[in-house]
Amino acid sequence: DADVTQTPRNRITKTGKRIMLECSQTKGHDRMYWYRQDPGLGLRLIYYSFDVKDINKGEISDGYSVSRQAQAKFSLSLESAIPNQTALYFCATSQGGVQETQYFGPGTRLLVL
Amino acid sequence: DAKTTQPTSMDCAEGRAANLPCNHSTISGNEYVYWYRQIHSQGPQYIIHGLKNNETNEMASLIITEDRKSSTLILPHATLRDTAVYYCIVSRPNRDDKIIFGKGTRLHILP
Repeated sequence: DADVTQTPRNRITKTGKRIMLECSQTKGHDRMYWYRQDPGLGLRLIYYSFDVKDINKGEISDGYSVSRQAQAKFSLSLESAIPNQTALYFCATSQGGVQETQYFGPGTRLLVL
Repeated sequence: DAKTTQPTSMDCAEGRAANLPCNHSTISGNEYVYWYRQIHSQGPQYIIHGLKNNETNEMASLIITEDRKSSTLILPHATLRDTAVYYCIVSRPNRDDKIIFGKGTRLHILP
């Protein structure tokens, strides 16, 4: 089984709808991250969490919120989806310390109509 | 903004060594150099990292210049499966530093 899983893998929604993307990990890592990727723009950090209840904004947090209620789960919400949030979303985890290696999930492809 | 500069794209013949350069002229003393790659919309995959010494693992080698202002990722015998976007990242592995991926280098392995 994959160490970092994301659900759903694909999602189509309409403008104004609230949606939630889920991320779960079995690696026992404290740190979790949400990124989005748009064609030609690389990965951009949305939010990150270094522990349960710890939430930090990344480069592009506007229009998003997150929840970290358990070590293994980190959820990303779009409160009112808009078309320019159409993107590929990745969750990642890391254990921190010197070996700050991030492990990524398979991604969620989101289309906002 | 990313702290690194990489070429937008590179080609390499299959079976040859692929040498991917990265400039990080503003790197500070406690920052590490990390390399990841992303194969066609899959999640990025960690390759290797280093501080100032050259590093080698089963995937690649990392050569860091003595002044640490640049580095080179070497894939010793490139295969078609190495076609991907390669990201060079500079980061301090502690609470205050976020990893910024940048746009990376698109490596094409040619048959």
